[in-house]
Amino acid sequence: AQTVTQSQPEMSVQEAETVTLSCTYDTSESNYYLFWYKQPPSRQMILVIRQEAYKQQNATENRFSVNFQKAAKSFSLKISDSQLGDTAMYFCAFMMWGAQKLVFGQGTRLTINP
Amino acid sequence: EPEVTQTPSHQVTQMGQEVILRCVPISNHLYFYWYRQILGQKVEFLVSFYNNEISEKSEIFDDQFSVERPDGSNFTLKIRSTKLEDSAMYFCASRQGPSSGANVLTFGAGSRLTVL
Repeated sequence: AQTVTQSQPEMSVQEAETVTLSCTYDTSESNYYLFWYKQPPSRQMILVIRQEAYKQQNATENRFSVNFQKAAKSFSLKISDSQLGDTAMYFCAFMMWGAQKLVFGQGTRLTINP
Repeated sequence: EPEVTQTPSHQVTQMGQEVILRCVPISNHLYFYWYRQILGQKVEFLVSFYNNEISEKSEIFDDQFSVERPDGSNFTLKIRSTKLEDSAMYFCASRQGPSSGANVLTFGAGSRLTVL
């Protein structure tokens, strides 16, 4: 079974700083998808960024980018120029190609301080 | 932007009572899901639904749980006899069919269930 591990339960940075959230996963598959979801205090799950495992290029969405290391099974999220609105719980998630369900990590609570 | 709608946003019930949580997925989506999140814990998969039947379910999804798509728009989760440990946030999600870019799940805002 696939597992997703987020080793940082909590992180805190100052506004405008750059922060990197870690995620590792375990799978024997070669084709899969990886995601970062954000859960602000409102509790809604919002997609931040996704990566297809067959793509070598790291995904980028504005201030959010990933460092995808397939051999190391690592998928970290970098937030540049952090903003107060980035304060949220961040979940890393995995979906096997052809499968239907997302498997989530435990989450990292990120606080952006003014 | 299309969204997944869930009702109620919060429900309080007595142990042993039946609860139905409702979801309206995005209209052109074909796969539907329920996830739950016990307070402070990670999001757990409950069940996926495709082509009018359950396609996968987790160990959590026992005989007390059922899902239904009674019409062309609603997707419901029923808990027959609630237990204290069913208290959680329940998220509905949907996604498109098997095509490029279609592996993204869109989540609703969640339904908080409190069992007393």
